[in-house]
Amino acid sequence: AQSVTQLDSHVSVSEGTPVLLRCNYSSSYSPSLFWYVQHPNKGLQLLLKYTSAATLVKGINGFEAEFKKSETSFHLTKPSAHMSDAAEYFCVVRVNTPLVFGKGTRLSVIA
Amino acid sequence: NAGVTQTPKFQVLKTGQSMTLQCAQDMNHEYMSWYRQDPGMGLRLIHYSVGAGITDQGEVPNGYNVSRSTTEDFPLRLLSAAPSQTSVYFCASSYSRGNYGYTFGSGTRLTVV
Repeated sequence: AQSVTQLDSHVSVSEGTPVLLRCNYSSSYSPSLFWYVQHPNKGLQLLLKYTSAATLVKGINGFEAEFKKSETSFHLTKPSAHMSDAAEYFCVVRVNTPLVFGKGTRLSVIA
Repeated sequence: NAGVTQTPKFQVLKTGQSMTLQCAQDMNHEYMSWYRQDPGMGLRLIHYSVGAGITDQGEVPNGYNVSRSTTEDFPLRLLSAAPSQTSVYFCASSYSRGNYGYTFGSGTRLTVV
């Protein structure tokens, strides 16, 4: 069975500083990995996905994630946080059919 | 606009009432799923379907029924609502082939009193 652990439930950064949201996964097979973002009272939007083509994945709004098989990690980064990045972020794994979600990391951005 | 449409957006039920949350997609996706979102729990899978006529249980299926008579529609039925079913419900769909992410609906906020 596959699972996802998001290592921080809440991350707070100052505007203009780097963002790091950590995610570890467990899967018996080669997984597909995703990051979704959810702004307050909104639906879920796909930020980026890893599907084995390249280990460094670029997404929307300047976010990136690096797949490290040896560490079973898929951390999300952004060089410079913006106020509009404040949201809930979900790391997600897919093997075959359903998605398996982490519990989420709430990102706060301080002006 | 192409996408996943959920109705209603908001609903208040009394304990013991039944209702159906509707979900429709127009992207010809084979896979459809229902999730519930609760604070600090992420999204948990209720039921999913890999095609018309085929459904299976997810992590938290108790108290819910689904059916998939067409590719487009995947309704979620609450049989006898309980306060523990107060949650935000998301429907999602995806292609079966390839490593695609799912497209999510905008959600249904359900309160059971």
